[in-house]
Amino acid sequence: KAGVTQTPRYLIKTRGQQVTLSCSPISGHRSVSWYQQTPGQGLQFLFEYFSETQRNKGNFPGRFSGRQFSNSRSEMNVSTLELGDSALYLCASSLGPLGDTGELFFGEGSRLTVL
Amino acid sequence: QQQVKQSPQSLIVQKGGISIINCAYENTAFDYFPWYQQFPGKGPALLIAIRPDVSEKKEGRFTISFNKSAKQFSLHIMDSQPGDSATYFCAASLLHDMRFGAGTRLTVKP
Repeated sequence: KAGVTQTPRYLIKTRGQQVTLSCSPISGHRSVSWYQQTPGQGLQFLFEYFSETQRNKGNFPGRFSGRQFSNSRSEMNVSTLELGDSALYLCASSLGPLGDTGELFFGEGSRLTVL
Repeated sequence: QQQVKQSPQSLIVQKGGISIINCAYENTAFDYFPWYQQFPGKGPALLIAIRPDVSEKKEGRFTISFNKSAKQFSLHIMDSQPGDSATYFCAASLLHDMRFGAGTRLTVKP
């Protein structure tokens, strides 16, 4: 059974550019959630998509957005990149909605560097 | 804002010792408290989890202690092994929401 796949694994952008990250969940999983991981801040919740609808969003500016497709694959987009956006972006999938006690399965992340 | 506070930031333990990581949460609506383990270059993986109606849960060498009135919970790793060296994250969740602590980097020295 394939795990959660994130692409690209590494990318370098410059300030002001935008970036799109992709996440393919485990087959059959309907929830995809996104997290920003930085040293000292841990995992910061970005948003959750369940059945193609954003169910919740963390405390991030509107430059961070996402969507989920009918096959449960998800993308997140960051526009007008800032230096502080440099981080590891993790997505996780679960069979049921986030927080219903089902296990979260994480991908290995997309490491974004903003120069 | 940090809804889940985790300490210590780093921890060094000798092989065979007990590792203890503490977390505190603010939102009493949280109803599920998992711990995740992350090795370098990998995504976090579920280690053990507890619901607030239980005060303790043990799985092998890993135990969660939960104090609902104090809004605190902790992870105990008994007989710590070098293979346990990783970053550990506590989390608190409710439907459609999961908040993580800042992480604890555990090093177990042989």
